[in-house]
Amino acid sequence: DGGITQSPKYLFRKEGQNVTLSCEQNLNHDAMYWYRQDPGQGLRLIYYSQIVNDFQKGDIAEGYSVSREKKESFPLTVTSAQKNPTAFYLCASSKPETGPNYGYTFGSGTRLTVV
Amino acid sequence: AQSVTQLDSHVSVSEGTPVLLRCNYSSSYSPSLFWYVQHPNKGLQLLLKYTSAATLVKGINGFEAEFKKSETSFHLTKPSAHMSDAAEYFCVVRSKTSYDKVIFGPGTSLSVIP
Repeated sequence: DGGITQSPKYLFRKEGQNVTLSCEQNLNHDAMYWYRQDPGQGLRLIYYSQIVNDFQKGDIAEGYSVSREKKESFPLTVTSAQKNPTAFYLCASSKPETGPNYGYTFGSGTRLTVV
Repeated sequence: AQSVTQLDSHVSVSEGTPVLLRCNYSSSYSPSLFWYVQHPNKGLQLLLKYTSAATLVKGINGFEAEFKKSETSFHLTKPSAHMSDAAEYFCVVRSKTSYDKVIFGPGTSLSVIP
C-alpha cells in the first residue's frame, strides 16, 4: 500500500545537537511538506517542496533545514539554532495543485523531545 | 488573506447523539476546504473535502460537511457519535491560486461520553 513513512516515531535530542527526521513516500506525489504541531496551535508550516531539488521556507523555517534530492524523500534537520524544538513533527505530501484531489496525505509523525 | 476559525476548542457529546464541529473561514479566493481527524500520537487523516462541486460533502465514517458561502462556514456533522470518534479535528482552507497558502485551524478536541 502507498503511504508516507516517518521515522523514528519518538526521538530524544540533547541541547546543542542537530537531529534529522526522515520522511519517505511511495505515492509518486510531487509536493512534500513539513509541519510542526504544538498543543492548541494547530499545524504550522516549516518547509515545503514542489519538485526535486527545490524547496521553500514556510512560516517557521528558522532553525530548520531540508533537502529534496529524491522525489520520495524529504528529510528535515532540526538544528541547534532552533530554540524550542520539542514538538510533534508531521510530514505530508500531495499531488500537483492542478488536480482536484490535492488533499494532503500525512505520515504518522515524529515526536521530538529535547532533554 | 486567509484564515480559519474553529469556534470550539473542545466539544463533548454522549455516544449516539449528534456531533457538530464548527468552522468558519476567510479567503480572498475561491477556497478548497478540508476536514482532517487526528487520533492521539498519530498523523492526520482526511475526512472530507470541498472543491467547488456539491456543497454538501460526505466523508468517511459517517461524517459530512456543508459549504455555506453566505455564512463562510464549513461545519462538520455526524448524526450519531461513536466512541471511536473521540479525536482532534482540524478544519483546513487552501487557496487554489497560491500553492503554499494552506491554513490549518487550531483544532477541536471531541470527547465522546459512554
